[in-house]
Amino acid sequence: SQQGEEDPQALSIQEGENATMNCSYKTSINNLQWYRQNSGRGLVHLILIRSNEREKHSGRLRVTLDTSKKSSSLLITASRAADTASYFCATDYTGANSKLTFGKGITLSVRP
Amino acid sequence: DAGITQSPRHKVTETGTPVTLRCHQTENHRYMYWYRQDPGHGLRLIHYSYGVKDTDKGEVSDGYSVSRSKTEDFLLTLESATSSQTSVYFCAISSGSGSDTQYFGPGTRLTVL
Repeated sequence: SQQGEEDPQALSIQEGENATMNCSYKTSINNLQWYRQNSGRGLVHLILIRSNEREKHSGRLRVTLDTSKKSSSLLITASRAADTASYFCATDYTGANSKLTFGKGITLSVRP
Repeated sequence: DAGITQSPRHKVTETGTPVTLRCHQTENHRYMYWYRQDPGHGLRLIHYSYGVKDTDKGEVSDGYSVSRSKTEDFLLTLESATSSQTSVYFCAISSGSGSDTQYFGPGTRLTVL
């Protein structure tokens, strides 16, 4: 399977702390995306980083991509209780022909 | 939210019965996808469509068929439902290809008894 792997599987932090989540993948990609899923809801796109980019920011989100290590990190700064959700990385593998491959997800709990 | 609806939102059926799930979009996006989500497996692609009447298989397509006769509708059919197909099914759309952002529907929870 070419599925990306997120790490850790679960993360529990205090409100105000930063949350760092990692994603590793196996073969070359065109881009990597991060999605959030609140309980009982569909996935929501957070950020897309292309293979020729190293870092992107969106509000309190910072994503890095290291293609030499085949890994990405999602940093959420100054976390809030509302950030409690599952987070997924998704990769657009080179030659995947219009498909994304999703990881199994990271469960983030932010304690008030 | 992107204009995507799924119907039904919940369904309970018995083994061996046919089931059709519908995904409807109002965004005129070219690409549509069906995924299933199961604990421990994340999201897995069942089938996808890259245009009207143009479909292709995903990672877990056995036991499923799809049809897309109009841009706005993508149907997922379980010809003879099995208990292993109990899952939450998500539809997604994308304006471009897999390189682009995907927008997800609210999901359908299917239980096969």
